[in-house]
Amino acid sequence: SQQGEEDPQALSIQEGENATMNCSYKTSINNLQWYRQNSGRGLVHLILIRSNEREKHSGRLRVTLDTSKKSSSLLITASRAADTASYFCATVVNQAGTALIFGKGTTLSVSS
Amino acid sequence: EAGVVQSPRYKIIEKKQPVAFWCNPISGHNTLYWYRQNLGQGPELLIRYENEEAVDDSQLPKDRFSAERLKGVDSTLKIQPAELGDSAVYLCASSAQYTGELFFGEGSRLTVL
Repeated sequence: SQQGEEDPQALSIQEGENATMNCSYKTSINNLQWYRQNSGRGLVHLILIRSNEREKHSGRLRVTLDTSKKSSSLLITASRAADTASYFCATVVNQAGTALIFGKGTTLSVSS
Repeated sequence: EAGVVQSPRYKIIEKKQPVAFWCNPISGHNTLYWYRQNLGQGPELLIRYENEEAVDDSQLPKDRFSAERLKGVDSTLKIQPAELGDSAVYLCASSAQYTGELFFGEGSRLTVL
């Protein structure tokens, strides 16, 4: 079963615009992570935010976490064509022994 | 430093045939994962190892799937016999600890005819 659910499922923007993706989850978490997957490739870790953090930045990425709403958002600023990929949120739940659970992903298309 | 290595990258077999996938994790990573990813979906966990021990295999279809991680390093995932619905990408990942960042291999794409 999948814990996280991304929204929107697909997003198309122009280069230079900002892209925002949202993730909702169901149970309490230890941390939440975002990954990127280029077509036909493996997933690449982007950023990890712990349950006691509210915001985190990494380069052009900004992630927020609202544990009261069980939601997170990923903002990519000044998008580039190379940002075209699928983006997944993944959570580590607090239940002992549970591994990272992924959502279905948001497909981002950035056109030049 | 080498990343997670998987082989083969592509495999085409007929249904009822066996197939095996191999994974070599990042050196020093005690936690190893096998995920299955269907087209347009997120990865779904099949099994997680802590060293040699399978600590989370609740999603592994044990009637036809098996996995092993000898000596706590390389791992093999086997399907026997394969069914049409097994067509997917099988991803291996490793991490230094199970709550941390995962490093993924490029995946093994299985097509069952």
